[in-house]
Amino acid sequence: DAGVIQSPRHEVTEMGQEVTLRCKPISGHDYLFWYRQTMMRGLELLIYFNNNVPIDDSGMPEDRFSAKMPNASFSTLKIQPSEPRDSAVYFCASSSAGTSGRARYEQYFGPGTRLTVT
Amino acid sequence: RKEVEQDPGPFNVPEGATVAFNCTYSNSASQSFFWYRQDCRKEPKLLMSVYSSGNEDGRFTAQLNRASQYISLLIRDSKLSDSATYLCVGPSGGSYIPTFGRGTSLIVHP
Repeated sequence: DAGVIQSPRHEVTEMGQEVTLRCKPISGHDYLFWYRQTMMRGLELLIYFNNNVPIDDSGMPEDRFSAKMPNASFSTLKIQPSEPRDSAVYFCASSSAGTSGRARYEQYFGPGTRLTVT
Repeated sequence: RKEVEQDPGPFNVPEGATVAFNCTYSNSASQSFFWYRQDCRKEPKLLMSVYSSGNEDGRFTAQLNRASQYISLLIRDSKLSDSATYLCVGPSGGSYIPTFGRGTSLIVHP
């Protein structure tokens, strides 16, 4: 299996521009998570989907952030307009609920997108 | 208070040493915990699960102490390749939202 795929791997953009991050989860996984990691705040859960439906987006910082999952094999995280404080590494992860339910915590992470907003 | 807390370290140990990290959690109803490993500038990767009866995988042992509400990770015979950040993960409340600790940095030197 190719694992979780994210693109782009690096993104440098100017303040005010729109940024779209992309994720392809592992085939057959029914949970998809978007995280943001910074030195100051560590790894923060932004939003997660179950069977393509957003379940909890309470971690999304503000209305400038939006996420979609149009099908089981693709998700996007969009920032519009971007600000310097959005600079971070954004990870996408997927998991499968399995039979016990514990498996949802056994997440497989993509390599991340390193975002720099100047 | 963050639901899952860790000592950030760094823990600086020589090769061959035994080192242990703890991770405290605030939700007494939590039952599922995991340890992840994150190498510098890489993504987190699942290391092992934490069962109430303890869990051992080679040089690594994970334990759960419900009375004191912490989980631990013990690494025996440390290798240079064990140098990484170790993240503990638990559920947030009853919603099964995974919450990551800030991570504990381990540096194993020759």
